[in-house]
Amino acid sequence: SQQGEEDPQALSIQEGENATMNCSYKTSINNLQWYRQNSGRGLVHLILIRSNEREKHSGRLRVTLDTSKKSSSLLITASRAADTASYFCARFSGGYNKLIFGAGTRLAVHP
Amino acid sequence: GAGVSQSPSNKVTEKGKDVELRCDPISGHTALYWYRQSLGQGLEFLIYFQGNSAPDKSGLPSDRFSAERTGGSVSTLTIQRTQQEDSAVYLCASSSSRGQQETQYFGPGTRLLVL
Repeated sequence: SQQGEEDPQALSIQEGENATMNCSYKTSINNLQWYRQNSGRGLVHLILIRSNEREKHSGRLRVTLDTSKKSSSLLITASRAADTASYFCARFSGGYNKLIFGAGTRLAVHP
Repeated sequence: GAGVSQSPSNKVTEKGKDVELRCDPISGHTALYWYRQSLGQGLEFLIYFQGNSAPDKSGLPSDRFSAERTGGSVSTLTIQRTQQEDSAVYLCASSSSRGQQETQYFGPGTRLLVL
């Protein structure tokens, strides 16, 4: 499969805790993106990290990228119930613009 | 709003019927994509349109699936003689890409159920 691997498949935490999701991929990349999906519907773009970047922040989100290990992580700090969703990493397929998605992590944040 | 829109939101059909799914991309975006999300296969690419170029149809699962994009804007994904395994959420995305790997913005999806 061309899909990357994400772990954990599911994560359950309490509000205020941090959530870390990991993504691994198999081929070289120019950038990697993270998306959120609520209730199995539309995907919301969260953050794009380029291959020459090691870390990127956006609000409570922190993404790291280790190209030597072909892995990325998404950290959500001080989680809220509204963060409950599925989170996907995605990379472009070769030189094309089609995205290859990981299997996703289902995050549940309990009040 | 100015985001990607899709219609219908939900579609229930009987096996063997044809369905049409519509996507309105963000105004000015030249690239349009269709993806499918099903329980067994996760998120998978179906087809990609870029301007007036021939579409990349490499992800279409069978010849029952087709898509067109009229006037470089609205796109319709057609599934003929639907089968139960076609049940999935069909997602459309657009980007301003012209060969660059730019962010894709997704619509809310159409949930298709084939009985």
